[in-house]
Amino acid sequence: AQSVTQPDIHITVSEGASLELRCNYSYGATPYLFWYVQSPGQGLQLLLKYFSGDTLVQGIKGFEAEFKRSQSSFNLRKPSVHWSDAAEYFCAVGGINTGTASKLTFGTGTRLQVTL
Amino acid sequence: DADVTQTPRNRITKTGKRIMLECSQTKGHDRMYWYRQDPGLGLRLIYYSFDVKDINKGEISDGYSVSRQAQAKFSLSLESAIPNQTALYFCATSDSRDFTDTQYFGPGTRLTVL
Repeated sequence: AQSVTQPDIHITVSEGASLELRCNYSYGATPYLFWYVQSPGQGLQLLLKYFSGDTLVQGIKGFEAEFKRSQSSFNLRKPSVHWSDAAEYFCAVGGINTGTASKLTFGTGTRLQVTL
Repeated sequence: DADVTQTPRNRITKTGKRIMLECSQTKGHDRMYWYRQDPGLGLRLIYYSFDVKDINKGEISDGYSVSRQAQAKFSLSLESAIPNQTALYFCATSDSRDFTDTQYFGPGTRLTVL
């Protein structure tokens, strides 16, 4: 069964500091990996996704993530955090779209607080 | 995503009442999903639909039903609401032609059952 672990429930960083949010997954085949962000009172917005090729993927809002197959990880990074990045971040894993349900499994989320 | 809309955005109801949450999309996607979000549990899939004639249960379908009225509309019903159905509900869509099956989410409906 596929699963996603986000070990950090809550992280606090200072504005301008770098950020890394951890995500570990379990999946029996080639995974498709996603990061979503949920701002307060908002829905989930796709930040970036990995499906093949370059293991470092760039997303919106200055975020990037690196896929490391050997570590089963897909950590999200940002070099300099802005106060507007305060939100909850979800990692998700899915599989090849074979025509049946490519079930998307979400982690439990990491809440990011940004101090000024 | 503004292309996926959910109504109502907030709803307070009483135990035993029937509730319908609605989702509409203008993305032209054929696949639609309903999730619920609970603090500390992430998102869990309730039902999904691959087209108008295809409805499937997710991991937590008990107590819920759905209707796919058209490709663009997917409704979630709680036949007899109970307090532990208090949660944030999200609708999502995806395109079967997208080999990554990326899902796009609506803004959510916050449901409180008293």
